[in-house]
Amino acid sequence: DADVTQTPRNRITKTGKRIMLECSQTKGHDRMYWYRQDPGLGLRLIYYSFDVKDINKGEISDGYSVSRQAQAKFSLSLESAIPNQTALYFCATSDRPPGTGGEDTQYFGPGTRLTVL
Amino acid sequence: DQQVKQNSPSLSVQEGRISILNCDYTNSMFDYFLWYKKYPAEGPTFLISISSIKDKNEDGRFTVFLNKSAKHLSLHIVPSQPGDSAVYFCAASPPDKLIFGTGTRLQVFP
Repeated sequence: DADVTQTPRNRITKTGKRIMLECSQTKGHDRMYWYRQDPGLGLRLIYYSFDVKDINKGEISDGYSVSRQAQAKFSLSLESAIPNQTALYFCATSDRPPGTGGEDTQYFGPGTRLTVL
Repeated sequence: DQQVKQNSPSLSVQEGRISILNCDYTNSMFDYFLWYKKYPAEGPTFLISISSIKDKNEDGRFTVFLNKSAKHLSLHIVPSQPGDSAVYFCAASPPDKLIFGTGTRLQVFP
């Protein structure tokens, strides 16, 4: 079984609709992240969470919200989807304790391809 | 401004030859650098990393070189294999997050 799972894997929705992307992990990691990938722009950080009570905005958080329901679950919501939110969305986890040094190796889920018409 | 840059969107290399993927960064305070590999329809997977206190790290066919004065790192794959065909992202690790480059698509042909 995959350590980091994302649902759905593919979603087509219409402008103005609310949509939720879900991420679950069995790695037991405290840190979780949401990224989007766009052609020519690489991976950009949307939100990240160090534990259930700690949520932080990333580089491109406008138009998105998140919920950390448990250590293992981190959801990304688009309250009113717009076409320029069409992208690949990735969830990732990390086991580095907050505030410690060292590299932050992250483990990614398989991604959700979202199309907003 | 893009803090981590991969200026070559694509690279094509013959099987058995060396692949060299380049990455530049702007912030001299970055502590670690990582390379991720991504196949279609999959998430990125960690490949190799290097600390800013080193100038080279090797893992099998993969070697990463870091030139701090030039704010430049490179990934060498020797010998290249068709299974190495993927998109490669470099990333910088300031505290608590990763900053990714735009990726380089590597194609290894027979």
